[in-house]
Amino acid sequence: GQNIDQPTEMTATEGAIVQINCTYQTSGFNGLFWYQQHAGEAPTFLSYNVLDGLEEKGRFSSFLSRSKGYSYLLLKELQMKDSASYLCAVLNTGGFKTIFGAGTRLFVKA
Amino acid sequence: DVKVTQSSRYLVKRTGEKVFLECVQDMDHENMFWYRQDPGLGLRLIYFSYDVKMKEKGDIPEGYSVSREKKERFSLILESASTNQTSMYLCATPRASNQPQHFGDGTRLSIL
Repeated sequence: GQNIDQPTEMTATEGAIVQINCTYQTSGFNGLFWYQQHAGEAPTFLSYNVLDGLEEKGRFSSFLSRSKGYSYLLLKELQMKDSASYLCAVLNTGGFKTIFGAGTRLFVKA
Repeated sequence: DVKVTQSSRYLVKRTGEKVFLECVQDMDHENMFWYRQDPGLGLRLIYFSYDVKMKEKGDIPEGYSVSREKKERFSLILESASTNQTSMYLCATPRASNQPQHFGDGTRLSIL
């Protein structure tokens, strides 16, 4: 079957670093996306990994290990506005279908 | 910037009604998708389209149909609405098949 697992909720303190993990088992792999979704809003794109390694973009970094079926999103210097859900999504081979995880709700406290 | 517009943010309909959800994109993208999002389940693909008049079933197409008469518009139809179709519906389109999805604001649909 196809499965994407990520923690349901996490809490972190303003200014800290948090790592959100994602493991996946899919029939094909053509890249992994991370999206951010604030409550009541649409998801917005954060990062895309198709090769193993770390991609850094400002305060956010994303890591991929294809052999382990594993990714993480790293958020540094947390701000209150980072309180949101973070969705891990795998693009299947063939290119059309993206499989989404249920999302990790991150709470940033002062 | 890609603009994806969904016709309604909130909609309340009755069981058995035929419901139309509209989505329009302004970037001439070929691929368009309809998802529903439910707590604890994430986004699930209902239908997608890769060209005008072309459609493919996603993972949960039962009870739904779609229409793509023009490239910019992708409509989701609930043939006979039922309470288990109460959900957030999201339309999305990527620039290409390996590009990120651009989402509309979503329609929160309640079926009473």
